[in-house]
This record gives sequence, C-alpha cells and structure tokens, in this order.
Amino acid sequence: DQQVKQNSPSLSVQEGRISILNCDYTNSMFDYFLWYKKYPAEGPTFLISISSIKDKNEDGRFTVFLNKSAKHLSLHIVPSQPGDSAVYFCAASAETSGSRLTFGEGTQLTVNP
Amino acid sequence: IAGITQAPTSQILAAGRRMTLRCTQDMRHNAMYWYRQDLGLGLRLIHYSNTAGTTGKGEVPDGYSVSRANTDDFPLTLASAVPSQTSVYFCASARELGYEQYFGPGTRLTVT
Repeated sequence: DQQVKQNSPSLSVQEGRISILNCDYTNSMFDYFLWYKKYPAEGPTFLISISSIKDKNEDGRFTVFLNKSAKHLSLHIVPSQPGDSAVYFCAASAETSGSRLTFGEGTQLTVNP
Repeated sequence: IAGITQAPTSQILAAGRRMTLRCTQDMRHNAMYWYRQDLGLGLRLIHYSNTAGTTGKGEVPDGYSVSRANTDDFPLTLASAVPSQTSVYFCASARELGYEQYFGPGTRLTVT
C-alpha cells in the first residue's frame, strides 16, 4: 500500500525552464509534507516543506504547492539549473502516527544545459 | 564536522552471516532512523528511536534489529543476512520526531 506516490520516475527539462515534480498521497491524516533532494552516492538532503494549513511555501527558486482536496502536492523549480539534476523524494507525515515520514518512490530530474 | 557518519561505506556479505551497520551523529538529536532505499520503492523505514533507550518498528522491520544505548549511536543489525536485504541503507536523525531529518551518506550492502 503505497501511501505516497510519485508517478513519474524521471523528468528532463532545459536549463532556465520550469521543473514541476508531482506527488500524490492517499492518507488524509498526513499533515506535513517535505521534499528531499538526493545526489548519487550521498544521503538525501532536506529541500522544502509545507504544513497542511498552507497551500503554498516558497524558498528562493523552489515552491511547493499543496492541494488537500486532491491529495496532491507539487514542487516547482524555476529557473532550473544543471546542478538541480538529482533524485527528488516527496515525503509526508501525520502527527497521529508519531510524525514518522513516508516517502514516495522518487523522481530523477535531469536539467540539460 | 557536525553530522551523521555511517560505516562501512559498502560491504559484500555472504548469506547467513551477521552484520552490524554503524551510525553515529554528533548533533545531539533525540530521534534517529534507519531506512533502506530500493529502486522503484523509495525510502522505507526499518526502525526508529524517539530517544535514547527506546526503539520502534517501521514499515519493514523483519530481519533487522536496533539498539539505542546512548544519544549518538544507533546501530542496525542483520542477524542472518538474506539476498533480499541487498540495498542501500541510510541512517537519519532529527531534533525530535516530526522535525526535518538529516541523513548520513549511506551504506551499500550486497548479500550474496
């Protein structure tokens, strides 16, 4: 039972354009959502998060949007840079389950110069 | 340098052998976690610890055990390794449960 799903295993965009990574979830108890970025041979690093009381959170080139009714969140990167090429994991947690993270499968983003 | 260290970096292990993956953090974080990463499955939680002296089971705990004798260390033990435990293992820590997690560099384990 995959509660957090990233349906696109990979995404390729041109440098300077917008990258949009999507994530869907099924557990309505999730109240906190995070995006992590992972480079090869390194551990994931925290990128940005959003609480369920918000529908948008922005940090520089990165914006996360949350649509609770659709149980969908997305990460927008604009403008995309070659250094953004990495695997992006969506994660969610619920205070009622001890706030442990449930991760999606990951999306490999490639930004072409 | 503050952060999380994991050892070994990689290991090839014969099936049936016992193996302990080590994890140490120096950030005085209360919560620690062990995940495995498998292609197409993302990161799955094996075990976690809210604070020193307590542990809990995650999504895929079978075949693994952990201990948390102190704040800094959170070893993961495979009592009798099987090929399905071939994976990349990540240790993580957080100030408390629910806070952002910081990950170690991972241990690549191959069970033959």
